[in-house]
Amino acid sequence: SQQGEEDPQALSIQEGENATMNCSYKTSINNLQWYRQNSGRGLVHLILIRSNEREKHSGRLRVTLDTSKKSSSLLITASRAADTASYFCATDAGANSKLTFGKGITLSVRP
Amino acid sequence: GAGVSQSPSNKVTEKGKDVELRCDPISGHTALYWYRQSLGQGLEFLIYFQGNSAPDKSGLPSDRFSAERTGGSVSTLTIQRTQQEDSAVYLCASSLDRGTRAQYFGPGTRLLVL
Repeated sequence: SQQGEEDPQALSIQEGENATMNCSYKTSINNLQWYRQNSGRGLVHLILIRSNEREKHSGRLRVTLDTSKKSSSLLITASRAADTASYFCATDAGANSKLTFGKGITLSVRP
Repeated sequence: GAGVSQSPSNKVTEKGKDVELRCDPISGHTALYWYRQSLGQGLEFLIYFQGNSAPDKSGLPSDRFSAERTGGSVSTLTIQRTQQEDSAVYLCASSLDRGTRAQYFGPGTRLLVL
């Protein structure tokens, strides 16, 4: 079964607005990762946050992690039309376990 | 190589035929994953190879699906007696089995079963 569950399933915003996407998971993790996918191509790794971290930034991306609530959020600030894509969270429970992906969030940024 | 490569990029086959999909991971990556993605859907995990350990085959949907990884590098996913519901994009990813274990994806093979 899926470990990560993203919310909402789809999000449509205007260019320049911020986009917030959430991910919940069920078991203990080593880290949580966010990926992006354009038009059915391979996924691209965006950012990783370890279980002992609460917040991390990379450019216009900000990810938070609340291990007590088993949830993470990805914030894209000042969105651009080029940010239109599907976004997936993935949880890593550590060595000898596979990375487990959620079902993804479809983000549409209107120019 | 520079990244994960997959071949063929597109494959059209007739129902009942066998197909082989190939994945060349990033050199030195000991973990390799196969996923399936139907149109507009999320990733469906198929199989996971990690080093010399026995592969995790828990995601293979039926015994028509099999995969092998020779020499700890190239992997082949084989689908026997293809069915129309096998039509999807098949994605391969590789990673180190230590550190962040971030996955690097290939461009996928788009399979269409007529």
